[in-house]
Amino acid sequence: DTGVSQDPRHKITKRGQNVTFRCDPISEHNRLYWYRQTLGQGPEFLTYFQNEAQLEKSRLLSDRFSAERPKGSFSTLEIQRTEQGDSAMYLCASSLSAGNGELFFGEGSRLTVL
Amino acid sequence: DQQVKQNSPSLSVQEGRISILNCDYTNSMFDYFLWYKKYPAEGPTFLISISSIKDKNEDGRFTVFLNKSAKHLSLHIVPSQPGDSAVYFCAASDRRADDMRFGAGTRLTVKP
Repeated sequence: DTGVSQDPRHKITKRGQNVTFRCDPISEHNRLYWYRQTLGQGPEFLTYFQNEAQLEKSRLLSDRFSAERPKGSFSTLEIQRTEQGDSAMYLCASSLSAGNGELFFGEGSRLTVL
Repeated sequence: DQQVKQNSPSLSVQEGRISILNCDYTNSMFDYFLWYKKYPAEGPTFLISISSIKDKNEDGRFTVFLNKSAKHLSLHIVPSQPGDSAVYFCAASDRRADDMRFGAGTRLTVKP
């Protein structure tokens, strides 16, 4: 399977704990995006990378959120000191910078904070 | 700030009829528009797109229309099939800023 893969698919944690999500993009894609989706809403942009450089961060991305893409391949999204409001689906997408703008999404990682 | 709006949370149509999904945007800098389809437990998948230099783009049963003056686009599916039942997201992008915004989605149900 050469699509975007995310791990874990579902994470249940207690408030205050740290969680980390991993995204493996399509191998030839140099852009990687993180979005958050809550019930009844569309995906909300969090951040994106071109290769290993983090080029943009949404103001939705508080100081408790950090994303990395150390070698320009896979990426991690860490949430520290989770809050109940962090409960959402975290979507990763990848694309080619020279492409038509189409994003290829993974299946998402669902976070439930108790 | 919701720059892309899909005002109809749901739409139900009969198989074989036309489905029309609507989307409005507020940012005049958006120059590329896309529709994504999402099935349960899956990520959104790209369906069709249109550049701001065009007012129509067709791909099989799917046609997207863009009215820039009204900042409105629509997706037409004809004929609709039960397999089209999904949530459809409208997205708009300012490609210079690499900023893609999504609407809240419209759940389409196509009844056999």
